[in-house]
Amino acid sequence: GENVEQHPSTLSVQEGDSAVIKCTYSDSASNYFPWYKQELGKGPQLIIDIRSNVGEKKDQRIAVTLNKTAKHFSLHITETQPEDSAVYFCAATSNDYKLSFGAGTTVTVRA
Amino acid sequence: DGGITQSPKYLFRKEGQNVTLSCEQNLNHDAMYWYRQDPGQGLRLIYYSQIVNDFQKGDIAEGYSVSREKKESFPLTVTSAQKNPTAFYLCASSPQLAGSPYEQYFGPGTRLTVT
Repeated sequence: GENVEQHPSTLSVQEGDSAVIKCTYSDSASNYFPWYKQELGKGPQLIIDIRSNVGEKKDQRIAVTLNKTAKHFSLHITETQPEDSAVYFCAATSNDYKLSFGAGTTVTVRA
Repeated sequence: DGGITQSPKYLFRKEGQNVTLSCEQNLNHDAMYWYRQDPGQGLRLIYYSQIVNDFQKGDIAEGYSVSREKKESFPLTVTSAQKNPTAFYLCASSPQLAGSPYEQYFGPGTRLTVT
């Protein structure tokens, strides 16, 4: 099955700086890569996703890049704000129904 | 409002008791999922259902059971056979788009504590 590894496990950044989270996956057939943001005590919220026919996707301050050859994808958050503090999860799937999740990255934005 | 509701938010049970967690969605999604989340770990799939009256085991189904009698409802029962049931349980749903991957949307979760 699919194995997704996520790094780093924790990330502290100064407000206004950028944050980058990286994930690798094992199944070369994977073709959908979502990113979720989870605030304390809440369910994960889908913030951006990318499909295998696209190399990069951007939505305001967040962007995701995909390198299918190397089997890794990354989340980039620019101009970080205190409300960006949360746990971020990457995921991957090759069969439409089952998402395999990374272990999560706790992002702290320092004011 | 459209969305996924899970109840209750917090649940406490004594060891040896079965407990059922509720998940309801009014998004008209065909597929529904149950995940377990433990501290410092990613989400692990317990069960999923693509259509009514059908469901499949996920990666950690032992000690759990589900039913899917209605499209909008997918309750999860944590049985006494689950050796370590204390966790945060998340329900999700997704629309049916044949032939392509699609997004999963999560409910607010139920935190179960078994003592």
